[in-house]
Amino acid sequence: EPEVTQTPSHQVTQMGQEVILRCVPISNHLYFYWYRQILGQKVEFLVSFYNNEISEKSEIFDDQFSVERPDGSNFTLKIRSTKLEDSAMYFCASSNTGPGNTIYFGEGSWLTVV
Amino acid sequence: AQKITQTQPGMFVQEKEAVTLDCTYDTSDQSYGLFWYKQPSSGEMIFLIYQGSYDEQNATEGRYSLNFQKARKSANLVISASQLGDSAMYFCAMREGESSSASKIIFGSGTRLSIRP
Repeated sequence: EPEVTQTPSHQVTQMGQEVILRCVPISNHLYFYWYRQILGQKVEFLVSFYNNEISEKSEIFDDQFSVERPDGSNFTLKIRSTKLEDSAMYFCASSNTGPGNTIYFGEGSWLTVV
Repeated sequence: AQKITQTQPGMFVQEKEAVTLDCTYDTSDQSYGLFWYKQPSSGEMIFLIYQGSYDEQNATEGRYSLNFQKARKSANLVISASQLGDSAMYFCAMREGESSSASKIIFGSGTRLSIRP
């Protein structure tokens, strides 16, 4: 069964460093998303991406964050100058057109900022 | 304002019993989709079941069924014959504008389900 894959599964980084989280969405999907889940809290929407541009972003997704689809398969989230409060699980997700438009999630990248 | 409300932060259920996880939602859209996801302790987000706002029948997927009451804006998840492996966090989620594929899903705060042997 096709799945969304994310790397790394866990990353520890120093405060102030840049982090890139990588995702390979399901191959025939056209819509891509990043979500964040701080430990013990709800899952929060960050950004959606379609046709090589951002469709929608939340207020969390400020200038510190950027997304890119550098080639035909990868979808990345870059976090510049990380802060302690950026520590969270980051989920990539993708969906396609059709009934239901289910959004499928990757297994997540756990980011710890120290 | 909360768009997805899950009023049960935690539940304990005896193995093999059925369990209902509550979810109410708020939207002014006529077209929307409702989802349930399971998050085990390992952290991944697993899609369980989907219900479209225009679907006349309640969705079912194996032991999962969605009790959709549109007038009451509720979309409760029913798990029949619960198993130890069902112990996890369960999130209700909604996507407004069903025909718009790019629209985001928004999540409730989740219910932690624990199955007792």
